[in-house]
Amino acid sequence: GAGVSQSPSNKVTEKGKDVELRCDPISGHTALYWYRQSLGQGLEFLIYFQGNSAPDKSGLPSDRFSAERTGGSVSTLTIQRTQQEDSAVYLCASSLVVFSGRGRNEQFFGPGTRLTVL
Amino acid sequence: KQEVTQIPAALSVPEGENLVLNCSFTDSAIYNLQWFRQDPGKGLTSLLLIQSSQREQTSGRLNASLDKSSGRSTLYIAASQPGDSATYLCAVRPPGSSNFGNEKLTFGTGTRLTIIP
Repeated sequence: GAGVSQSPSNKVTEKGKDVELRCDPISGHTALYWYRQSLGQGLEFLIYFQGNSAPDKSGLPSDRFSAERTGGSVSTLTIQRTQQEDSAVYLCASSLVVFSGRGRNEQFFGPGTRLTVL
Repeated sequence: KQEVTQIPAALSVPEGENLVLNCSFTDSAIYNLQWFRQDPGKGLTSLLLIQSSQREQTSGRLNASLDKSSGRSTLYIAASQPGDSATYLCAVRPPGSSNFGNEKLTFGTGTRLTIIP
């Protein structure tokens, strides 16, 4: 079946502009995650959506970053007034979360969006 | 705060050799540990997931072990091939019910593996 998809695959923008990154999770997956991979800094968690619960935004680096998940499926990560330090690969993942406590809850990742802020 | 470390940062071995990649984590209270590979310019591909109650998982030429009490995991690759060249990442998930949002992974720094033909 189809995996996690992200668009665009590459985005080049000028400093100060806003950008929107899109993620389509695997159909039926209840949880969706955004991570950022910066050069030399590894992968860091940004935000997590689970069902209708309030999202876990604890990883967002500043209030310029926000994310929405509409209809429990597609998610958009928005970065306002982009800065050069926002340049990174933004990865989205989804999982089928099982609340029994014995589920694997394995995360499956999309190919990422490479953002370059000039 | 959980910290995940992978040593070495880079490794080159001749084709056909068996090899071991290491992952260590500071907080042994984890729900599971996942190994991924990442090819240049690509996303992450899940390789193996080990639940905290398990000691190892196997898939083809890959075997992952977990020693939770000592905060260590290893990924063993048998009979390495040039196609195994990639960056390998381990990630841990904190314990607790999914109801409380304990789903975010903490990633290691990765090991860049090169298999020499």
